[in-house]
Amino acid sequence: EAGVVQSPRYKIIEKKQPVAFWCNPISGHNTLYWYLQNLGQGPELLIRYENEEAVDDSQLPKDRFSAERLKGVDSTLKIQPAELGDSAVYLCASSSRSDEQFFGPGTRLTVL
Amino acid sequence: GQQLNQSPQSMFIQEGEDVSMNCTSSSIFNTWLWYKQDPGEGPVLLIALYKAGELTSNGRLTAQFGITRKDSFLNISASIPSDVGIYFCAGRGGGSEKLVFGKGTKLTVNP
Repeated sequence: EAGVVQSPRYKIIEKKQPVAFWCNPISGHNTLYWYLQNLGQGPELLIRYENEEAVDDSQLPKDRFSAERLKGVDSTLKIQPAELGDSAVYLCASSSRSDEQFFGPGTRLTVL
Repeated sequence: GQQLNQSPQSMFIQEGEDVSMNCTSSSIFNTWLWYKQDPGEGPVLLIALYKAGELTSNGRLTAQFGITRKDSFLNISASIPSDVGIYFCAGRGGGSEKLVFGKGTKLTVNP
């Protein structure tokens, strides 16, 4: 069974530029999560989807971050415009039950 | 909000030694999960715990859900070099659906 797929694995951009990350969850997993992981920290939830509905986006900085999961399968997380402090690893995870979440390899973003 | 205190922050051990790390929360949790993260990769689920007092093993790994429901520990027996990585605890409870992660324990195993 294929795991969670994320792309790109690495992204380097200049500040004020837009950036987008893509995630394809494990087949059959209805719940999809985007996490932010800063260096030396554990993952922190940005947004959780149940199918195509964002059921928890309370931690998503909505002034510059947006996400979508139009068909309830793959998802895109966007930052526009990016700031220096956005440099981090962005992890996508999916689950078929709310507790056992399976993570992708992440996208490491560097904002210069 | 909910916070997890994971300790120790880092451990340096010799191959063959046993390891123990733990996590405590400020509120009662219904679920405890333990993950391992290798450099450049996402966290990989090791063990999931759902009942107070539950003791679950996965090979050389054993984890327990504390009876107070506010703590959990992970033991690794007879460590090997590939055990190197960062171990995260994660929990859910206190009326929230959100999974909260600790800051991780960085394990180094010297051959």
